[in-house]
Amino acid sequence: AQTVTQSQPEMSVQEAETVTLSCTYDTSESDYYLFWYKQPPSRQMILVIRQEAYKQQNATENRFSVNFQKAAKSFSLKISDSQLGDAAMYFCAYRGNQAGTALIFGKGTTLSVSS
Amino acid sequence: DVKVTQSSRYLVKRTGEKVFLECVQDMDHENMFWYRQDPGLGLRLIYFSYDVKMKEKGDIPEGYSVSREKKERFSLILESASTNQTSMYLCASSLLPGAGQPQHFGDGTRLSIL
Repeated sequence: AQTVTQSQPEMSVQEAETVTLSCTYDTSESDYYLFWYKQPPSRQMILVIRQEAYKQQNATENRFSVNFQKAAKSFSLKISDSQLGDAAMYFCAYRGNQAGTALIFGKGTTLSVSS
Repeated sequence: DVKVTQSSRYLVKRTGEKVFLECVQDMDHENMFWYRQDPGLGLRLIYFSYDVKMKEKGDIPEGYSVSREKKERFSLILESASTNQTSMYLCASSLLPGAGQPQHFGDGTRLSIL
């Protein structure tokens, strides 16, 4: 069975600095998708970024980028120029490439941002 | 934008009650999901459905059932609520086919069982 591990329960960063959140996963599949979701306090969970395993190029969305290392089964999220609004719980998630499969989530990393 | 609406933001029920959590999505998504979120445990899948009247057990289905009579609505049922079911419940939906389709989440229902 696939598993997703986020080894950092909490992280902190100062405004304008860069922070990297770690995620590792375990799977025997060769084709799959990886996601980072953000859940602000008392607010809706939203998609931050998505990576297809068959793509070697790392995904980027504005200040958010990933470092996808397929062989190492690592999928870290880098947040550049951190803002107060980035404070949230971040979840790494895996989904196999079969229709009807659900996301498998890590336990989350709480990111705090200080001014 | 996709809208996933959960019927209640906060809910308080008593042990032994039958509890219904409702979820409606407005984007004609085939897939719908119910998760439970607990501190330190992340999100755990309870049930999901990939079509009307179809359902699949997730990781923690015990004590729960689901109903999907219409494509846009997916209900989670606690047959006889217990205190260990106090939690945050999240509903999500996504398109078929393609595992790359992102899931869209509702605001969550914080359920307390007394």
